[in-house]
Amino acid sequence: DGGITQSPKYLFRKEGQNVTLSCEQNLNHDAMYWYRQDPGQGLRLIYYSQIVNDFQKGDIAEGYSVSREKKESFPLTVTSAQKNPTAFYLCASRRLAGSADTQYFGPGTRLTVL
Amino acid sequence: GNSVTQMEGPVTLSEEAFLTINCTYTATGYPSLFWYVQYPGEGLQLLLKATKADDKGSNKGFEATYRKETTSFHLEKGSVQVSDSAVYFCALTLMIKAAGNKLTFGGGTRVLVKP
Repeated sequence: DGGITQSPKYLFRKEGQNVTLSCEQNLNHDAMYWYRQDPGQGLRLIYYSQIVNDFQKGDIAEGYSVSREKKESFPLTVTSAQKNPTAFYLCASRRLAGSADTQYFGPGTRLTVL
Repeated sequence: GNSVTQMEGPVTLSEEAFLTINCTYTATGYPSLFWYVQYPGEGLQLLLKATKADDKGSNKGFEATYRKETTSFHLEKGSVQVSDSAVYFCALTLMIKAAGNKLTFGGGTRVLVKP
């Protein structure tokens, strides 16, 4: 089955710790995205990458970091500099060729800071 | 800038009722428009989309028409089921590579269908 996997589904972190969220896709998509969702709100873009070894900040990148060493993987690190990290994190991917405007989403990781 | 406004929820309906969720947008250019659905504890699933004016997207009994003159993309379903209970997001994207072709989302509308 082709798709996007995110792990873990639930993650707990103590204050002051960095934590890395995994996102893997086997859709051969070029672009990948990380969004944050807070209760009762829409999604906000954290980072995106359109090609391996390149990525761009989204609207709320402060306190986060990413890497794109492989086409299929786009891990997100939530650093201790992120003031309010408790949220639901969603990864998405998209094919770049042609008029491929649709983003497909993973199942999400719920991060809770204790 | 670009923005999406959708009606606030929750919307509570009885089974077999008619559902409408309003969505309006502002965009510099000609966006593609989407409706995504999120079931409890899950990621977003694409429900339907439309890429140009007057296009109608449809899926699973849901429909939405891209209305350029009113900058709207309202979601409708003629007869809802309990399984349609979810949060629905309206979104747009402008195919601008320099901006990452990112999606701009509305705030989401929670729909609760009661038996």
